[in-house]
Amino acid sequence: DTAVSQTPKYLVTQMGNDKSIKCEQNLGHDTMYWYKQDSKKFLKIMFSYNNKELIINETVPNRFSPKSPDKAHLNLHINSLELGDSAVYFCASSGGGGVGSPLHFGNGTRLTVT
Amino acid sequence: GENVEQHPSTLSVQEGDSAVIKCTYSDSASNYFPWYKQELGKRPQLIIDIRSNVGEKKDQRIAVTLNKTAKHFSLHITETQPEDSAVYFCAASSGYSTLTFGKGTMLLVSP
Repeated sequence: DTAVSQTPKYLVTQMGNDKSIKCEQNLGHDTMYWYKQDSKKFLKIMFSYNNKELIINETVPNRFSPKSPDKAHLNLHINSLELGDSAVYFCASSGGGGVGSPLHFGNGTRLTVT
Repeated sequence: GENVEQHPSTLSVQEGDSAVIKCTYSDSASNYFPWYKQELGKRPQLIIDIRSNVGEKKDQRIAVTLNKTAKHFSLHITETQPEDSAVYFCAASSGYSTLTFGKGTMLLVSP
């Protein structure tokens, strides 16, 4: 069983479109995240949710809107896609706060905006 | 906030050699330091981590050392193998803060 699963794996779309990426974890973790990995491989935190509540929102355009219907799911909706949004998006979860809470990543969604 | 610097950005070694990747961090409150390995086209996976009450930790061919005074930590891989080729990320966090990642090191092990 995949611990953190995200869909779709690949997403190719045109500029201006709206798209969503879904993420689910079956680890019973309290905290979920979205990371963006650009072409230079840098992993940048976008959002963090703890028990369905937003706790971190880094400098991300408001075209990106996360939604957490329950603590096992964290979806990412992107409006008005731009070329610069092309990247791999990773969902992740962790067992919550405190020292030593490793991240468990999903397999990533490669988004290509043309 | 935390800032993590990682060096080198690329590292090429011959099979059987050792590889060392170094990271520094800025927040003296950081107390958790994991290392992730990301193979091409795959997700980052935790390979080893260390907490601030420990100076060194070893797991088979990989080891991590931590110097809290100097605020740096390192990953050591001995007897490298071609399957060790990947991008390696260090990270740091404190208490309930989110992990801050270094920019990654691409390790290439040549047969």
